[in-house]
Amino acid sequence: EIVLTQSPATLSLSRGERATLSCRASESVYSHLAWYQQKPGQAPRLLIYDASNRATGIPARFSGSGSGTDFTLTISSLEPEDFAVYYCQQRRNWPRTFGQGTKVEIK
Amino acid sequence: QLQLQESGSGLVKPSQTLSLTCAVSGGSITSGGYSWSWIRQPPGKGLEWIGYIDQSGYTFYIPSLKSRVTISVDRSKNQFSLRLTSVTAADTAVYYCARVSSNYEMDYWGQGTLVTVSS
Repeated sequence: EIVLTQSPATLSLSRGERATLSCRASESVYSHLAWYQQKPGQAPRLLIYDASNRATGIPARFSGSGSGTDFTLTISSLEPEDFAVYYCQQRRNWPRTFGQGTKVEIK
Repeated sequence: QLQLQESGSGLVKPSQTLSLTCAVSGGSITSGGYSWSWIRQPPGKGLEWIGYIDQSGYTFYIPSLKSRVTISVDRSKNQFSLRLTSVTAADTAVYYCARVSSNYEMDYWGQGTLVTVSS
């Protein structure tokens, strides 16, 4: 099973700041990594697939990068609605696995 | 717009069977070559992928649940289901159903349903 480790666990930032979230895989997942956003009481929402492709309707301030074992989700300028928990997920191998999540909170 | 809606018992006794259904509306469960998954989230914790079923009926389950879990599709009702036997308190979670895109991401999700295992 591929283990995904996200860092930091919590990111405290202000509106308008840049957020940089990391996801590291225990072995190469090539570019087969997705990012999801989850707000309290809501289902996760797909943000990024294949490491760097924005899903339909996702604002351009969200971007993904990386390949192999190291990946980054960047939010260029935080909006109030962006404060949430973010999960990475790999589709390279079975079973599919998620990282433990990074919470982006208001500073 | 595709919509998924989970339904089933919200309270299950230990050792009994958890059964959930995901009704798909706004599209056919058999079209587009999509697959379907279940994911769960214990209270206050992260996401755990449970399993997957594709158009041919091929399934894959997380090894830790493989002996207890079954995912199936009912094409006539445009829905798919999750069955988890011999539940314990550790199975208490919000259960989500999701569509798996042709690129294997989960692009549409149900709102989730809380299942509590308690006597």
